[in-house]
Amino acid sequence: GQQVMQIPQYQHVQEGEDFTTYCNSSTTLSNIQWYKQRPGGNPVFLIQLVKSGEVKKQKRLTFQFGEAKKNSSLHITATQTTDVGTYFCAGVESSNYKLTFGKGTLLTVNP
Amino acid sequence: NAGVMQNPRHLVRRRGQEARLRCSPMKGHSHVYWYRQLPEEGLKFMVYLQKENIIDESGMPKERFSAEFPKEGPSILRIQQVVRGDSAAYFCASRPGQGHEQYFGPGTRLTVT
Repeated sequence: GQQVMQIPQYQHVQEGEDFTTYCNSSTTLSNIQWYKQRPGGNPVFLIQLVKSGEVKKQKRLTFQFGEAKKNSSLHITATQTTDVGTYFCAGVESSNYKLTFGKGTLLTVNP
Repeated sequence: NAGVMQNPRHLVRRRGQEARLRCSPMKGHSHVYWYRQLPEEGLKFMVYLQKENIIDESGMPKERFSAEFPKEGPSILRIQQVVRGDSAAYFCASRPGQGHEQYFGPGTRLTVT
């Protein structure tokens, strides 16, 4: 079945530094979604990428989908303490929208 | 529009007891998914349901686990004869018929003692 790997598992940065998490799939993805989960909270949808090579921006967050649709990345510019949480990528099955999650990257930010 | 509701938020069961987890999807959402999350792990798909139908239960253990989404009322995830390994956070998510985004509930944290 589909497997989604995500690195790094943990990332600690100083406030103001940049942060990137990477996601790789064992199979070609129809599309990929990103979620953020605060400690003790529930996953919250951030974005969906569909097209090969797609790049989307949300303020300080930049999401990319690889040309082969097997990898993706999330980059945060100038992190803030409010960015703390675990960022998950999830491969989406087009037939039923079932999500296959990576293990996530836990981001901590030192003020 | 209220979000996805799950109850209870915390559930403690002794080994061998039954756990019943409830999920009320967002209004107008007819698709429900259940995921399990172990500490410091990603979420693992368990089952996908529409009203009165199980669409995909490929992620659910064949024994002791069952799920339903009746015509009226919440979706229920039922775990019979719980074991310590069932301790986890169980999240329910819903989505509308035409949408791709899944809205997650607050989760039920199950602890088996």
